[in-house]
Amino acid sequence: SQKIEQNSEALNIQEGKTATLTCNYTNYSPAYLQWYRQDPGRGPVFLLLIRENEKEKRKERLKVTFDTTLKQSLFHITASQPADSATYLCALRAYNTDKLIFGTGTRLQVFP
Amino acid sequence: ETGVTQTPRHLVMGMTNKKSLKCEQHLGHNAMYWYKQSAKKPLELMFVYSLEERVENNSVPSRFSPECPNSSHLFLHLHTLQPEDSALYLCASSQTQGWDTEAFFGQGTRLTVV
Repeated sequence: SQKIEQNSEALNIQEGKTATLTCNYTNYSPAYLQWYRQDPGRGPVFLLLIRENEKEKRKERLKVTFDTTLKQSLFHITASQPADSATYLCALRAYNTDKLIFGTGTRLQVFP
Repeated sequence: ETGVTQTPRHLVMGMTNKKSLKCEQHLGHNAMYWYKQSAKKPLELMFVYSLEERVENNSVPSRFSPECPNSSHLFLHLHTLQPEDSALYLCASSQTQGWDTEAFFGQGTRLTVV
């Protein structure tokens, strides 16, 4: 069956450190992989998209990698800040489909 | 604001009530989605509309009935719901398949069934 799994239910790190979140998928052939941020009681907000033929994408303090051999994406936040505390979701869109399927999410807590 | 507006933000309804959730976008997108988000569970895709045609129905119970009258509006009609249907219902829109664009989400409707 198709699954998207994100590591650990919660990740706690100290301010200034790099947070690394993992997204693993099985039985998918994604065209794109996306990362979203969700704050409590609000809808997810798009952060980054990476295509299957891209290895890495960066945006300010954010970096995403995509390894289609390992079927894994890593999401990094460098120099983390308490304001980065939120739930981070990965999502896959397969070829020729409008279905956007989400992982379980990882809750990140950055402590001062 | 993301450009996707959902109303109401909160809804409490009895199991015998009929209510509707509304979603509106003016981003020029032609795909719209309903997701359900329950505590401790991933976002569950319920329905997908592409070019106003329903292209996905993920085994959702018939007590949930979607309607897409045009590319800017999406409704979710609710009737005879169960307490386990209490959740955050999220609407999203995007360009249709083949476009590498993201989904824009509304703020959601927090539904409580009593």
